[in-house]
Amino acid sequence: AQSVAQPEDQVNVAEGNPLTVKCTYSVSGNPYLFWYVQYPNRGLQFLLKYITGDNLVKGSYGFEAEFNKSQTSFHLKKPSALVSDSALYFCAVLGGSGTYKYIFGTGTRLKVLA
Amino acid sequence: EAGVTQSPTHLIKTRGQQATLRCSPISGHTSVYWYQQALGLGLQFLLWYDEGEERNRGNFPPRFSGRQFPNYSSELNVNALELEDSALYLCASSLGGGRNQPQHFGDGTRLSIL
Repeated sequence: AQSVAQPEDQVNVAEGNPLTVKCTYSVSGNPYLFWYVQYPNRGLQFLLKYITGDNLVKGSYGFEAEFNKSQTSFHLKKPSALVSDSALYFCAVLGGSGTYKYIFGTGTRLKVLA
Repeated sequence: EAGVTQSPTHLIKTRGQQATLRCSPISGHTSVYWYQQALGLGLQFLLWYDEGEERNRGNFPPRFSGRQFPNYSSELNVNALELEDSALYLCASSLGGGRNQPQHFGDGTRLSIL
């Protein structure tokens, strides 16, 4: 069965420091991986996706994510965090083998401290 | 371009009643997805519609149902409401047929069951 895990409920980072939000997945077949961000009282906004090709994917607002097949991970990164990056981040996977069911992680709250 | 719109923003019901939530996708999008976001549980996939057909369904009881209209808008119906149905219900749309396509979310309907 496909699944996605975000092992950290919350990540705190100082403004200007690099940030990493972790995601690991389990799917049969080739994974389609996504990152979304949710601000308070809003829906989710798409940040980036990995379908195939380059393992380093660049997305919106300076975020990037690294796909690692051997570790089944898709960690979200940013070189220099901003206070405005504080939000709830979701990793999602869409499995192969004919399934069209998106599975979202439980979310990681990122807090960037000034 | 107008985003995904959901109505109503808030809905208050009592146990046993029925609720109808509505979603208008981005123009040109033929796929609509419904999710339940309950406190502490992340996003749970409910339903996926594409071109008027139900394509996939999450692990929810049959009292959760929906439909997609010829203009691609969608309704989610929840019958015999229970207290644990209290949650934010998010609708998302995407270009149809492509598993590569990111989802675009509305801001949700907050359903409260008294």
